[in-house]
Amino acid sequence: AQSVTQLGSHVSVSEGALVLLRCNYSSSVPPYLFWYVQYPNQGLQLLLKYTSAATLVKGINGFEAEFKKSETSFHLTKPSAHMSDAAEYFCAVSDRSGYSTLTFGKGTMLLVSP
Amino acid sequence: GAVVSQHPSRVICKSGTSVKIECRSLDFQATTMFWYRQFPKQSLMLMATSNEGSKATYEQGVEKDKFLINHASLTLSTLTVTSAHPEDSSFYICSARGTSGTGELFFGEGSRLTVL
Repeated sequence: AQSVTQLGSHVSVSEGALVLLRCNYSSSVPPYLFWYVQYPNQGLQLLLKYTSAATLVKGINGFEAEFKKSETSFHLTKPSAHMSDAAEYFCAVSDRSGYSTLTFGKGTMLLVSP
Repeated sequence: GAVVSQHPSRVICKSGTSVKIECRSLDFQATTMFWYRQFPKQSLMLMATSNEGSKATYEQGVEKDKFLINHASLTLSTLTVTSAHPEDSSFYICSARGTSGTGELFFGEGSRLTVL
């Protein structure tokens, strides 16, 4: 069974600072990995996905994530935080069939202070 | 990109009534849709998987007679909360699997249900 662990339920950064949201997965084979963002009272929006092409994946809004098999990690980063980045971020994993359900982490709330 | 629309975004109803939430894939055909429930400050809980033309598959602990799911077409799935009670108040989110074959889901905007 696959699982995802997001370290830190809350992460606080100052505007302009580096954003690092951690995600570790557990899977017997390299899975597909996703990061989603959720703004208050809204659905989830896909930020980026890893499907075994390049290990460094670039997404929307300046975010990127690097797949590291040796560390079973898929951490999300952004060089410079904006106030508009404040939201809940979810890491998710699925198997490579493309037909399984996604397993979500518990989410990390990103707080950005001026 | 794939767009999923959910309606209504907010609904308030009296205890004992039924509420229907619609989920539509606007620019692609979705043979599979998923319904999630989200409690405040928590992650998403998968309630059921909806397949076009067949019965939904419910997760353990989800009452299929209370949460009726219908997926009558390739672009529409509905969730009906029957005989709603205050404990059914929650944020319900639908999603549809994309067509790229890599398993990503596209989500609706969510529906906030409040049962008085």
